Formats: sequence, structure tokens, C-alpha cells
Amino acid sequence: QQPVQSPQAVILREGEDAVINCSSSKALYSVHWYRQKHGEAPVFLMILLKGGEQKGHEKISASFNEKKQQSSLYLTASQLSYSGTYFCGTPQAADKLIFGTGTRLQVFP
Amino acid sequence: DTEVTQTPKHLVMGMTNKKSLKCEQHMGHRAMYWYKQKAKKPPELMFVYSYEKLSINESVPSRFSPECPNSSLLNLHLHALQPEDSALYLCASSQVSRGEIYGYTFGSGTRLTVV
Repeated sequence: QQPVQSPQAVILREGEDAVINCSSSKALYSVHWYRQKHGEAPVFLMILLKGGEQKGHEKISASFNEKKQQSSLYLTASQLSYSGTYFCGTPQAADKLIFGTGTRLQVFP
Repeated sequence: DTEVTQTPKHLVMGMTNKKSLKCEQHMGHRAMYWYKQKAKKPPELMFVYSYEKLSINESVPSRFSPECPNSSLLNLHLHALQPEDSALYLCASSQVSRGEIYGYTFGSGTRLTVV
């Protein structure tokens, strides 16, 4: 029931790109993405809706494939501030958001 | 005001103590949530309040008792906790609107240690 993310961890140099994947065993109607820095609260990044509509901010993009029950988060030209743990979240029912297993991203100078 | 405020930030309590965690938001959000997060793990949903009514209880032990006094406040009452309940407790809120899905705003959490 919990979405599975891959990879579990990524190490990057500034300016490099990364892709984080989120897969669900259940049908997806929307996917949330959050970033949590060490010792801080998760911060909402974006929502992807069925049909391709995307809501978000920052220089981070994402895709959503309803048929494959997958979503991918794309971080291009990474910055030091991108470091943290990224979680996808999938609504299992109204108001019931279940977080994925998490991907730890570290960006070094 | 675009924040969710949680107090206290840190709490150490004995297994026989009674304590409460508090959460407040003034964004007009009508859904509020409690999540529990262990180190290096994702947040786990505990309770959901929608329009001040408990809508989801994820089979949480009765030693955790949620309360929503009004649309801006959410409490989590703790009693007779176990050491394994030590974790970061996160409160979150979101808008609720038929047919629309909104992101969650999280508070900074209460780091709870049960001794």
C-alpha cells in the first residue's frame, strides 16, 4: 500500500541532474511531492493530477503516468539547497495521504 | 499567515505522565492531520480531522487521544506512553474542496522522548 521510491539515496555535485521515481501498487489519481530537510518539517513541492495537470513551484518538474501507476521527480542543475529527503505521497482515500519510502538526496559543491 | 505552529518543540515524558501536543493554523484550512515520524522513515498517518470531526483513525493505540476544539486548533493528548512511542510528531493542515486536491502544510513538529 505504501508507494515505493527509487533510488533510496542519491549523491550529486552541484549542477548535476537527478530523477526520483515513485511507484504504487494501487491506482493513482494524484501524486504529491514533498522535501524534508534534516530536522525540519516536510515542505510541499507540487501535486500532479490525473490527466497531466501539474501544480508546483521552484525549478523542479515532475511527470505522472497513471497507467503505470508511477510518478517521477526531475531535479535539473541541482543546487545545494536541493539536499534533503524527498517523499512522494499518494491519496489512498479522501484526506488520507500515504507517504512513499523516501529518497535521500545530497548535493555537494 | 501561512504557517502551522506546533508546541512544544521538544518534550521528554515519563511513562506515567500525561502531556498534550498542540497545533494551530490560521489559513482557514478545514482538514488537519497528525503524523508520526521515526528517524529515517516517512511520516505515518495517525489521525485526520475534517471540518472539526474525526474522519480517520489509523488504528492508533488509545494512549494517543486527539482533540479538535475548533477549526484552528488540534491537540494530541498523551497518556501512559511507551519508549517506542518516541518520535517526531507532525501536525499538518490542508484545504478541503470537492473535486480539488491541495498540498499539505506541515508544522515543524514536536520531538517526543519517552523515558
